Amino acid sequence: EAQVTQNPRYLITVTGKKLTVTCSQNMNHEYMSWYRQDPGLGLRQIYYSMNVEVTDKGDVPEGYKVSRKEKRNFPLILESPSPNQTSLYFCASSRTGGWQPQHFGDGTRLSIL
Amino acid sequence: DQQVKQNSPSLSVQEGRISILNCDYTNSMFDYFLWYKKYPAEGPTFLISISSIKDKNEDGRFTVFLNKSAKHLSLHIVPSQPGDSAVYFCAASDSDTGNQFYFGTGTSLTVIP
Repeated sequence: EAQVTQNPRYLITVTGKKLTVTCSQNMNHEYMSWYRQDPGLGLRQIYYSMNVEVTDKGDVPEGYKVSRKEKRNFPLILESPSPNQTSLYFCASSRTGGWQPQHFGDGTRLSIL
Repeated sequence: DQQVKQNSPSLSVQEGRISILNCDYTNSMFDYFLWYKKYPAEGPTFLISISSIKDKNEDGRFTVFLNKSAKHLSLHIVPSQPGDSAVYFCAASDSDTGNQFYFGTGTSLTVIP
């Protein structure tokens, strides 16, 4: 089954404790992206990647890192999480980016205390 | 600064009637637009898209209209069904800058049986 898998689905942690949210897709997609969803703000793009070793900043990259060492994986790293990063996070992928519709994971709810 | 706006946070419609969801954008460089549907506890799923070279695109019960001069697009669902109850996001991108996407804040549609 074609899917985008995020882990963990839920996480409660404390300020400053490094964490990684993993994202994996099994569709051989070149394009992958991370979004956060906040009430009243909709979905905002954090980072995106057109292919292995190619990443670009989205609208709200501050406080986040990403890497794309393999085509299927695109982890989101919070080196020193802060409470304003409490949010619902979505990973997405598409065949080539651009016009191609994105397939989204089911989300990761992060709470930073 | 929100470049894509959905000014109606919610909408209720009787089953069988037309649902019209609206989206406005500010960046005249945006040249393709997508609508996604989101159920609770799931990621968004692609619904329909439109390029700026068109003013209408249909797919079954779903039609998207684009008015470039007004920087406005709308999604029409006819007839509306209870299973259409979800949050709808519009998204926009500029093909020149590639693969950065801007989403609206979403409209929660409730179709009343």
